[in-house]
Amino acid sequence: EAGVTQFPSHSVIEKGQTVTLRCDPISGHDNLYWYRRVMGKEIKFLLHFVKESKQDESGMPNNRFLAERTGGTYSTLKVQPAELEDSGVYFCASSQEPLAGGPHTGELFFGEGSRLTVL
Amino acid sequence: GNSVTQMEGPVTLSEEAFLTINCTYTATGYPSLFWYVQYPGEGLQLLLKATKADDKGSNKGFEATYRKETTSFHLEKGSVQVSDSAVYFCALRGGYSSASKIIFGSGTRLSIRP
Repeated sequence: EAGVTQFPSHSVIEKGQTVTLRCDPISGHDNLYWYRRVMGKEIKFLLHFVKESKQDESGMPNNRFLAERTGGTYSTLKVQPAELEDSGVYFCASSQEPLAGGPHTGELFFGEGSRLTVL
Repeated sequence: GNSVTQMEGPVTLSEEAFLTINCTYTATGYPSLFWYVQYPGEGLQLLLKATKADDKGSNKGFEATYRKETTSFHLEKGSVQVSDSAVYFCALRGGYSSASKIIFGSGTRLSIRP
């Protein structure tokens, strides 16, 4: 079974340009998360989809970031226009857990990450 | 809010040495605690977990005990191998559903010398 896949693995762009990152979760996983790790610091939560709906987007840094998950399958994260401080590794993760009130494993399945470098 | 603090790296040890990576947390209520590991060229993967106080999570020779009195979840291994070289992340989850996000620490890079 394929794991979580992310594309591209590395993107180098100039300040002001646009970049779109893509994540394909494990088939059948309703929950999809985006995280970001900047300069070796902690992995910070960006947002959480349940199917095509945004469950929690409290971690999105500003309105230059737009995440979508049309049809509840793959997701894209667009940064427009990119700034220097957006550089980092963007991780996607998925899980299949009860939506509320049920037991959970806490296990997220991560992709290898997309490294973004803004010059 | 909830947070996780773990020891800064990098940590370099010789093969068969004893390993401890410290992790402490701040959370309201009773969080679940996790250690994730990222091997070179791979995504993060769950190493072990503990869901209540005094629980011990274990996997691949690694152990961590959920200590509520010290709000800690230190990772230990009695004899490390070169293949354990990776980045280790301590994490917590404050709620009981997938709606509660997992919060990660800053990661500790571990390098094991042959």
